Formats: sequence, structure tokens, C-alpha cells
Amino acid sequence: GAGVSQSPSNKVTEKGKDVELRCDPISGHTALYWYRQSLGQGLEFLIYFQGNSAPDKSGLPSDRFSAERTGGSVSTLTIQRTQQEDSAVYLCASSVRDRWTSGYTFGSGTRLTVV
Amino acid sequence: AQSVSQHNHHVILSEAASLELGCNYSYGGTVNLFWYVQYPGQHLQLLLKYFSGDPLVKGIKGFEAEFIKSKFSFNLRKPSVQWSDTAEYFCAVNARNTDKLIFGTGTRLQVFP
Repeated sequence: GAGVSQSPSNKVTEKGKDVELRCDPISGHTALYWYRQSLGQGLEFLIYFQGNSAPDKSGLPSDRFSAERTGGSVSTLTIQRTQQEDSAVYLCASSVRDRWTSGYTFGSGTRLTVV
Repeated sequence: AQSVSQHNHHVILSEAASLELGCNYSYGGTVNLFWYVQYPGQHLQLLLKYFSGDPLVKGIKGFEAEFIKSKFSFNLRKPSVQWSDTAEYFCAVNARNTDKLIFGTGTRLQVFP
């Protein structure tokens, strides 16, 4: 498609359940990023994939969070044993290799609510 | 570590007023600088960016930003705002030797007719 696609757009889950959030980047974009947007907290970097390189996981807040990117395209962010503090909007962005001239393209996000 | 500060959390203006949103970053090396905008119900969009050259950068919709290296600042300006500028504005910084884009906490702008 023309943009970064994220699904689901909204997810309500019970505390303790696992959730999977999906990101489909723009075709040909080699870099993919996950951010978390919480009220009053801005955008918090979570994880970054670039081509076939090992991902930069330095932003993942706990070992309950993990992400993978299959075939250099679609990415899945998994949160295990969700907690209420995980409630936020999870944003995915992708960019071409020369990302600093093109900037990131963001998806519309997945709003996660843990009840 | 890099960090970005946006001191104006919520700004309320009338149409035609001038706008300046502050952005300061902490990093001693060479940086790339960005402003993103998020209109209500929409995804983040790039407003403008600075890599090198003229420190006064022009963006879309009449916005501009000035990079002042000595002040570690990249303030966003618009001489006359419109109701349609109501949105949340995020400043972001990337240190040239890293791959991460660090965002500020955002400034919510409300423009009243």
C-alpha cells in the first residue's frame, strides 16, 4: 500500500493476556521502528530494525516486550502478560535507508487498552 | 544520552496570532532535527527537517524553524496561525552517529477562530 499499515487499530485486552500488534511498512523501506505514545509522555522509542542487521532493542521497557520482523517486511510487536501501564498507542514507522533526508513515515497506530 | 525538551505543553492562540514553540536538545555532537505534527485523529506527519546548511528551515503550511547551535535549540515558528493548525507538535532529534530518533513530549496547540 501507499502508507504504513498497522493492525488492529484498537485492542482491548484483559490484564495478564498476551497481545500481538502488527506493522506492514511501505514496500522497499528497509528500516522499521516501533514507538509507544502515552498521554503526556511523548513518543518513547522501543525497537529498531534495519535490513538484516540485529535489531536495536534498547528501548524495550521489559522482557515482556519483544518484536520480530519477518522477511525484512512485516513486523509484530508482542507484549506478554499485559499490565495496565502498557496501555498506550503503539506506533510503527518505516523509512528508506537514507532515512534522514526522507524522514520517517508513521502508521496510524494501535491503541492498546489493558483492563 | 540525547534528550529533547519541549517546555510549552499546551498553547492556546487566536487565529492570526504568531506562534513560537520551543525545542531544546541535549547532545554535544552533530545532529539532525525534525518537527512532526499530529492533527486530531491522524498519524504523525513530517513538518520540516534540518540536516545542514541554512539554519532557517522552511516547512509545509507556512511553518519555519531556526537551528541555533549555540543554544541547542530548534524553535518552530509561524507568523499567523489558522484554526486548522490545531494539532500536537513534536520536536525530534537524531545524533548523526545513531539510528534512533528521540522525540520531545509534544506541545498541544489549540487555535480558536
